Amino acid sequence: DAEITQSPRHKITETGRQVTLACHQTWNHNNMFWYRQDLGHGLRLIHYSYGVQDTNKGEVSDGYSVSRSNTEDLPLTLESAASSQTSVYFCASSEYRDRGGTEAFFGQGTRLTVV
Amino acid sequence: TQLLEQSPQFLSIQEGENLTVYCNSSSVFSSLQWYRQEPGEGPVLLVTVVTGGEVKKLKRLTFQFGDARKDSSLHITAAQPGDTGLYLCAGAPTGGGADGLTFGKGTHLIIQP
Repeated sequence: DAEITQSPRHKITETGRQVTLACHQTWNHNNMFWYRQDLGHGLRLIHYSYGVQDTNKGEVSDGYSVSRSNTEDLPLTLESAASSQTSVYFCASSEYRDRGGTEAFFGQGTRLTVV
Repeated sequence: TQLLEQSPQFLSIQEGENLTVYCNSSSVFSSLQWYRQEPGEGPVLLVTVVTGGEVKKLKRLTFQFGDARKDSSLHITAAQPGDTGLYLCAGAPTGGGADGLTFGKGTHLIIQP
């Protein structure tokens, strides 16, 4: 079965360190997304990609970057981790279906704590 | 920026009761999805509605898309403890494409046995 996996599931890092969260999908979807989920804010879009070599900023992109070198992977990098980036991060992939809408499939999340 | 407001934010009811959760916006969406999320897991898609006025049923869950495609509702009949979770609505922008879904903040639902 196709799936989307994130690693690690839990991460503790120190302020100022660079951190990379991995996302791998086997749906063969062109579209991939990174969200963060915080109490009181819901899911907020960080970055997204329409395909290989394409990346776009979302609502809360400051301090984050992504790269898309192949269809399956969209790693999320925190350039210099800050306490405000403590959150649960979700990766998702989707494919737009004509007259069927856009449906996203999510990974299980990465809980990141910046101390 | 398209916004989706969900209500109520929290809901705790007894097993067997009925409930309705609302998802409202001033923007038009090409489609709207409902997801359910359990603690420690990612959201899982329940249903997608595409056509204004569309009604879809999933066992005891009934989903409706507003005629103007700006709002949606989720009705649960005879709620069970297994329905407990965070219910999220998400809208896809008009014009198709791959832009990220806009999510509501969710409704935390607890069904007491």
